[in-house]
Amino acid sequence: EVQLVETGGGLIQPGGSLRLSCAASGFTVSSNYMSWVRQAPGKGLEWVSVIYRGGSTYYADSVKGRFTISRDNSKNTLYLQMNSLRAEDTAVYYCATDSGYVRFSYWGQGILVTVSS
Amino acid sequence: EVVLTQSPGTLSLSPGETATLSCRASQSVTDNYLAWYQQKPGQAPRLLIYGSSSRATGIPDRFSGSGSATDFTLTISRLEPEDFAVFYCQQYGGSPFTFGGGTKVEIK
Repeated sequence: EVQLVETGGGLIQPGGSLRLSCAASGFTVSSNYMSWVRQAPGKGLEWVSVIYRGGSTYYADSVKGRFTISRDNSKNTLYLQMNSLRAEDTAVYYCATDSGYVRFSYWGQGILVTVSS
Repeated sequence: EVVLTQSPGTLSLSPGETATLSCRASQSVTDNYLAWYQQKPGQAPRLLIYGSSSRATGIPDRFSGSGSATDFTLTISRLEPEDFAVFYCQQYGGSPFTFGGGTKVEIK
């Protein structure tokens, strides 16, 4: 059974940094397209970043240069390093995946990140 | 960037009725790589449709998708009480992998 569990969220001051983790089970992260999708309170879904099977990475313009996606194959875990955080980064962050495309067949439960002073 | 515009914003219907949701793209979606998701309050989204018209595993056949290029439709026939939720379209033909703004289907 595929399972995704996000950790690492919380309250952080503007300008601060945070690293989210997504522990995967039931499949191998290096074999899938692994993404982060976020949802600001009361708002719609926003794709944030993806790491391809081959290791290529892509980002939404809103986070480019501030966020970095990576994975640790030995731990079967996906990460999102978030730097220079802004109030508008406040959202529930979901880890999501599919085996062949950047669509989202499986989702984690989501983790809340609040950027506020 | 492919901008997806969903309409209507809210659809008020009764159980048993048919819901028709629209998703229009600002440019042609590569290979019709268009997906639909359902999200209920406090839950992660669930994939319903991919490739414009293919149902995901375990999705009832009352959910159907159609369309191509820039115009896509999600149809929910015979609405069940558990179908009322927010629905999003998403294109995965190329980065950035954008979502539409969502359509809320509420009980009338």
